[in-house]
Amino acid sequence: SQELEQSPQSLIVQEGKNLTINCTSSKTLYGLYWYKQKYGEGLIFLMMLQKGGEEKSHEKITAKLDEKKQQSSLHITASQPSHAGIYLCGADIADSNYQLIWGAGTKLIIKP
Amino acid sequence: DAGVIQSPRHEVTEMGQEVTLRCKPISGHDYLFWYRQTMMRGLELLIYFNNNVPIDDSGMPEDRFSAKMPNASFSTLKIQPSEPRDSAVYFCASSFEFYNEQFFGPGTRLTVL
Repeated sequence: SQELEQSPQSLIVQEGKNLTINCTSSKTLYGLYWYKQKYGEGLIFLMMLQKGGEEKSHEKITAKLDEKKQQSSLHITASQPSHAGIYLCGADIADSNYQLIWGAGTKLIIKP
Repeated sequence: DAGVIQSPRHEVTEMGQEVTLRCKPISGHDYLFWYRQTMMRGLELLIYFNNNVPIDDSGMPEDRFSAKMPNASFSTLKIQPSEPRDSAVYFCASSFEFYNEQFFGPGTRLTVL
């Protein structure tokens, strides 16, 4: 969806390095969800952010919500092969007719 | 709980045939969502149900697509007749509330020849 842009589209990172994925909305952001998908599998919920400035962490993954910038960032510290996959953001944005709008995904490859 | 269950996992059919995809949501979840995922269009919401009632089917591409939820533990997505452009991975997801975490099934990979 062009209403929700994810960057980068793909990312190759050396194992052990940090990385950041961004999700930017063109409209007012009310809530944002991060999911991870492995090839051939369904989406696995990572985190939900609902308040401006909110930050959540799960193991080595941290996500923040910047309401002013209408953006969320997902940061992985000391990346591991298990982090490889496709990361998708889904958002509740203005004028979305009560639907979650989804980003196109960021494909993350971890080089050993 | 076993999570959201979808069947079949893979379906290969010929153009013009009827295809039925099945989903069993997590018990106690009031919302059920059907999504389609393709390389070109990403993840798209097709339809969602609340307490077995279809709420928004604006994402259903054409009249060839129909979805039902006869009870709280079962939903179907039917394509009749199927076309090659329907080839995609179809996901079912369920959640306790609309803005809660959605639990996704493993998906059905549909190939229409």
